[in-house]
Amino acid sequence: GENVEQHPSTLSVQEGDSAVIKCTYSDSASNYFPWYKQELGKRPQLIIDIRSNVGEKKDQRIAVTLNKTAKHFSLHITETQPEDSAVYFCAASWNYGQNFVFGPGTRLSVLP
Amino acid sequence: GAGVSQSPSNKVTEKGKDVELRCDPISGHTALYWYRQSLGQGLEFLIYFQGNSAPDKSGLPSDRFSAERTGGSVSTLTIQRTQQEDSAVYLCASSRGGQPETQYFGPGTRLLVL
Repeated sequence: GENVEQHPSTLSVQEGDSAVIKCTYSDSASNYFPWYKQELGKRPQLIIDIRSNVGEKKDQRIAVTLNKTAKHFSLHITETQPEDSAVYFCAASWNYGQNFVFGPGTRLSVLP
Repeated sequence: GAGVSQSPSNKVTEKGKDVELRCDPISGHTALYWYRQSLGQGLEFLIYFQGNSAPDKSGLPSDRFSAERTGGSVSTLTIQRTQQEDSAVYLCASSRGGQPETQYFGPGTRLLVL
């Protein structure tokens, strides 16, 4: 079955710097890759997603890149702000959403 | 519109008791997922419902766990003879189904087994 790895497990950056979180997946059939942000005590919320027919997607300070050949995708946050501090989860899905596997999460801390 | 709702928000029970957790998905969403999240951990897949198809129960950790989805809408997750290691936040998510779609999460039920 699908296996999703995520690195780093923790990441600290200075406010204004960029943060990059990388995920790798094992099943080449995966075709949908969302990223979720989970603040302390709250539910995960989608921040950006990408499908396998595109290589990059951007939404303001957030971007995701996908390399299907290498089977990895990355989250890029530019000009980080303290409110970006949270746990970020990547996920990979295929088979009409039935196989939805999450990475273990990255705890991002943005230091003022 | 209304999002995914779950009840109760918190549940404290004694070891050995049964508990029932409820999830109301977004109206019209055909896919429903249950996950478990232990303190400081990631999301552990439990079960997946898609329309009228047989559910994918591959993530259920033991036969003490079961789930139903009545009428293609509301779902209940039942844990029988609860154990202390069952303590976690149980999250429900729904999506429109079909092609892999965005999942929308409920607020979760925080279960504590004493």
